[in-house]
Amino acid sequence: ELKVEQNPLFLSMQEGKNYTIYCNYSTTSDRLYWYRQDPGKSLESLFVLLSNGAVKQEGRLMASLDTKARLSTLHITAAVHDLSATYFCAVDLWAISGGYNKLIFGAGTRLAVHP
Amino acid sequence: NAGVTQTPKFRILKIGQSMTLQCTQDMNHNYMYWYRQDPGMGLKLIYYSVGAGITDKGEVPNGYNVSRSTTEDFPLRLELAAPSQTSVYFCASSLDANTGELFFGEGSRLTVL
Repeated sequence: ELKVEQNPLFLSMQEGKNYTIYCNYSTTSDRLYWYRQDPGKSLESLFVLLSNGAVKQEGRLMASLDTKARLSTLHITAAVHDLSATYFCAVDLWAISGGYNKLIFGAGTRLAVHP
Repeated sequence: NAGVTQTPKFRILKIGQSMTLQCTQDMNHNYMYWYRQDPGMGLKLIYYSVGAGITDKGEVPNGYNVSRSTTEDFPLRLELAAPSQTSVYFCASSLDANTGELFFGEGSRLTVL
């Protein structure tokens, strides 16, 4: 059974600091996605990583994918309060699903950025 | 653009009642999905559809049914509601499996008492 593990599950950061969220998974996949969820809201797509070595950046967030290590990272640079949210990674087993995006989600990392 | 629209946003059911969660998308997407999210957890796939008339089970289909008579609509039916079905339900859609980008609705919070 595929396991997707995020760590940490809770992260309290000071504004201006850097930190990395890790997403490990237990089976082969070359597709991984990162989502942001604000309390009581839906999921917002942040990054779509479709191959080994993929790196994408948007503002203070940068995501990367190492399919050999089965690891994705979400790096936060100079955190600001607006980044406070829960971040999910999701591994896509589309290659073995029979034709659809079979997403397996991690439990989420709850990020709180404070002054 | 409306995107993916879910109704109702909130609902309280008694044990044994039935209801339908509605999901409509206006992006002409072929693929549609229903997920549930339990407190403090990631999403789990209930059912999916790759086009009108085609549906299949996901990870946690027990207690639910779906239909897809049109490209736009993908309702989720709960039969004989149980407390274990208390959750937040999200509908999502994507154009195809290659793009890898799912668009999510706002969610429907269901409580079964």
